[in-house]
Amino acid sequence: GEDVEQSLFLSVREGDSSVINCTYTDSSSTYLYWYKQEPGAGLQLLTYIFSNMDMKQDQRLTVLLNKKDKHLSLRIADTQTGDSAIYFCAENPNRDDKIIFGKGTRLHILP
Amino acid sequence: DAGVTQSPTHLIKTRGQQVTLRCSPKSGHDTVSWYQQALGQGPQFIFQYYEEEERQRGNFPDRFSGHQFPNYSSELNVNALLLGDSALYLCASSALKETQYFGPGTRLLVL
Repeated sequence: GEDVEQSLFLSVREGDSSVINCTYTDSSSTYLYWYKQEPGAGLQLLTYIFSNMDMKQDQRLTVLLNKKDKHLSLRIADTQTGDSAIYFCAENPNRDDKIIFGKGTRLHILP
Repeated sequence: DAGVTQSPTHLIKTRGQQVTLRCSPKSGHDTVSWYQQALGQGPQFIFQYYEEEERQRGNFPDRFSGHQFPNYSSELNVNALLLGDSALYLCASSALKETQYFGPGTRLLVL
């Protein structure tokens, strides 16, 4: 079956690193995504990784993929107040196929 | 270049009524997907249109129907509205085999 699981809440102090974890079940997933949703807004694609990659870095964002364990993580370095949002892990077999989303992790920034 | 646009931004209906939501894809995109995001949940795939045909469908009842026009814009229709249809409805567009980009969504409240 298709399922994406992620923890619901994470609190991090401003300036620290945030790590959001996700597991997925569909072994045919080729693309794995991280989306950001701010209050009252739509979905912003932060980054994605191909299943044949282990890591992808983009400025403050680092994505790690453990394909054997079907585990994906998003690390945000030097977390800022503007990073406060809900982060969705998602996957699909092809980029234009239906996207399967997790329930989202709400990231709260402590001063 | 405008991104994906949706209208209206907000809508209030009563149970039993019918609603039509609209989506204009990003320039150069020919595929439109619709997702429903209930409060506190991740988006769930409703269906996808390509070349004016429904290409894929998620686990939604027949009350949910759609259409794609020759200019690639799309409509989502929901008949016999239920309270549980209250949600944020997201449209995503893509070129075939390419990454999907999401619009800001239409927030539907059913009373």
